[in-house]
Amino acid sequence: DGGITQSPKYLFRKEGQNVTLSCEQNLNHDAMYWYRQDPGQGLRLIYYSQIVNDFQKGDIAEGYSVSREKKESFPLTVTSAQKNPTAFYLCASTYRTSGRDEQYFGPGTRLTVT
Amino acid sequence: GENVEQHPSTLSVQEGDSAVIKCTYSDSASNYFPWYKQELGKGPQLIIDIRSNVGEKKDQRIAVTLNKTAKHFSLHITETQPEDSAVYFCAASKGSNYQLIWGAGTKLIIKP
Repeated sequence: DGGITQSPKYLFRKEGQNVTLSCEQNLNHDAMYWYRQDPGQGLRLIYYSQIVNDFQKGDIAEGYSVSREKKESFPLTVTSAQKNPTAFYLCASTYRTSGRDEQYFGPGTRLTVT
Repeated sequence: GENVEQHPSTLSVQEGDSAVIKCTYSDSASNYFPWYKQELGKGPQLIIDIRSNVGEKKDQRIAVTLNKTAKHFSLHITETQPEDSAVYFCAASKGSNYQLIWGAGTKLIIKP
């Protein structure tokens, strides 16, 4: 079955700790994205990557870091510098071909930092 | 930059009635307009999309209309059912090498 997996579904951390969220896709998609969603809010772009070993900041990149060493994987690290990290994190991926640009989303990771 | 506004933020309709959600965009170069449905605790899922060379697209009970001149597009759901209850997001993009710009979402409530 092709798709995007995110793990874990729920994650709890103490303030001051870095935490890494996993995102893996087996759809052979070129581009991958990380979004943050707060309760009752829309999607805000954190980082995106259009090819391996390259990524760009989105609208709210401060306090986050990413890597794209493999086409299938795009992990997100929430660092202690992120002032309000508790949120629902969504990973997405897509082809970069016109007409095939639907974004497919993973099930999300709910991060709670106390 | 591009901005997408979505209205209403909450919509409550009687089961069996129709629901309409509207979005406006600011960048006339946008040419791809998807609609996503997000159920509680899950990731959004594409339900229908439209490109700027088409004015309307239908898929069973769901339709999307696009008015390029006015820069707005709408989602229409007919004969609503309880399983249509969810948050719906519109988005706009200038193409596959550009980011999707998202609306703030509409919570659709279907009353039995």
